[in-house]
Amino acid sequence: SQQGEEDPQALSIQEGENATMNCSYKTSINNLQWYRQNSGRGLVHLILIRSNEREKHSGRLRVTLDTSKKSSSLLITASRAADTASYFCATDASGGSQGNLIFGKGTKLSVKP
Amino acid sequence: ETGVTQSPTHLIKTRGQQVTLRCSSQSGHNTVSWYQQALGQGPQFIFQYYREEENGRGNFPPRFSGLQFPNYSSELNVNALELDDSALYLCASSGPASNEQFFGPGTRLTVL
Repeated sequence: SQQGEEDPQALSIQEGENATMNCSYKTSINNLQWYRQNSGRGLVHLILIRSNEREKHSGRLRVTLDTSKKSSSLLITASRAADTASYFCATDASGGSQGNLIFGKGTKLSVKP
Repeated sequence: ETGVTQSPTHLIKTRGQQVTLRCSSQSGHNTVSWYQQALGQGPQFIFQYYREEENGRGNFPPRFSGLQFPNYSSELNVNALELDDSALYLCASSGPASNEQFFGPGTRLTVL
C-alpha cells in the first residue's frame, strides 16, 4: 500500500523557476525522506527530515514538514534542466521496521531549457 | 554513485521460470532492503535483511525469498514468475542505526 501521495503528479516549468512538490501521508512517522529518480534508474537520496524538525535546507532544496497536517513539501529553487526527474517522498513509519520505507507514486518534474 | 551495485542490469524471463537478482551493499552497511517498482508507481517494500536474517517483510507472497551473506551482499529470488512480476527491482543498503537508505541502479525484469 502507498502511504505517501505526491502532488502534483506532473509538473512542467522553465529553467530558473522554482518547483514545489507536496507529499501527504497517513500514519505517524519517525522521519520523511525525499528521493529523485532519473528515467527509471536507481533512486538518489536528497534529504531526510525528522519528525521533530519543521524545515531543512540542502543547497537549492528546501523541505518542510507539518506533522499536524501529515504533509511535507519539497522546494527546488532556480531549477535547471538537469533537475528533470521523478521525485518521491518516503516515510519511515514509527513502530515499523527500519527498512520499510513507504513511497508515494511520485511527481514527474520536467524543466525546459 | 552510492556504492550499491546490482546485477544483472536487465533480464528477460518467461512465465513460470525462476530468477535470482544480486545486490552488493555499500561498504560498512549491514542492512539490505529490496523494493519492487512497477512502471509509473513508487517502489514497494519486499523485505529487509539485517545480519543475514530477514528483518521485516512487505505484502509479497512466499515465492519472493531472499538471502544475505556474511559480507552483507544479498540475493532476491522469485519463483514461478508471473507477468505482473515485470518491474524494476531495487536494493538499498543502510548502515548501523541509520535511517538513510542508499539505492542501487536496479535490475529491470521483464516476464513474457
